[in-house]
Amino acid sequence: DTGVSQDPRHKITKRGQNVTFRCDPISEHNRLYWYRQTLGQGPEFLTYFQNEAQLEKSRLLSDRFSAERPKGSFSTLEIQRTEQGDSAMYLCASILGGRANTGELFFGEGSRLTVL
Amino acid sequence: QKEVEQDPGPLSVPEGAIVSLNCTYSNSAFQYFMWYRQYSRKGPELLMYTYSSGNKEDGRFTAQVDKSSKYISLFIRDSQPSDSATYLCAMTKASGGSYIPTFGRGTSLIVHP
Repeated sequence: DTGVSQDPRHKITKRGQNVTFRCDPISEHNRLYWYRQTLGQGPEFLTYFQNEAQLEKSRLLSDRFSAERPKGSFSTLEIQRTEQGDSAMYLCASILGGRANTGELFFGEGSRLTVL
Repeated sequence: QKEVEQDPGPLSVPEGAIVSLNCTYSNSAFQYFMWYRQYSRKGPELLMYTYSSGNKEDGRFTAQVDKSSKYISLFIRDSQPSDSATYLCAMTKASGGSYIPTFGRGTSLIVHP
């Protein structure tokens, strides 16, 4: 399968714990995005990478959130000291940089976080 | 006020009906317009994208952009039960190089047999 893969698909954690999500983009895609989606809402932008460089972060990305993309391949999104308000679907998407203007993002299936 | 507004529905139609889905936006800098389909508990998948104003057709789907009114539409002809999903509009600005798609909240469509 050459699509975007995310792991884990579902994570249940207690408030205050740390969680980490992984995204493996389509191999030739050098641009990678993270979005958050809550029930009944559209995806909200969190951050994006061009290769290994994190180029933009949303104000939604508080200091408890950190994202990395070492070597410009897979990416991780870590949430420290989780809060119930962090419960959401975390979506990863990738695109070839030269096609970024078209918005043709390829999304993974998402990682659903439930904070108890 | 959000930059992209979309009625959440649900919109319920009989099989075979023509469906019209719409979004409005407030920022005239948006130049690229996309429609994504999202099935329950799945990631969004791109249906179509258009650049600036005009129409684009792909099979049963037609996307329209009216930049003067800041209004975009997606039409689905001969709707099928398999079209039941949430339809998300999205758009990006042409300048700056970041091209970060901004999404509407999605419209839930139900096509009943």
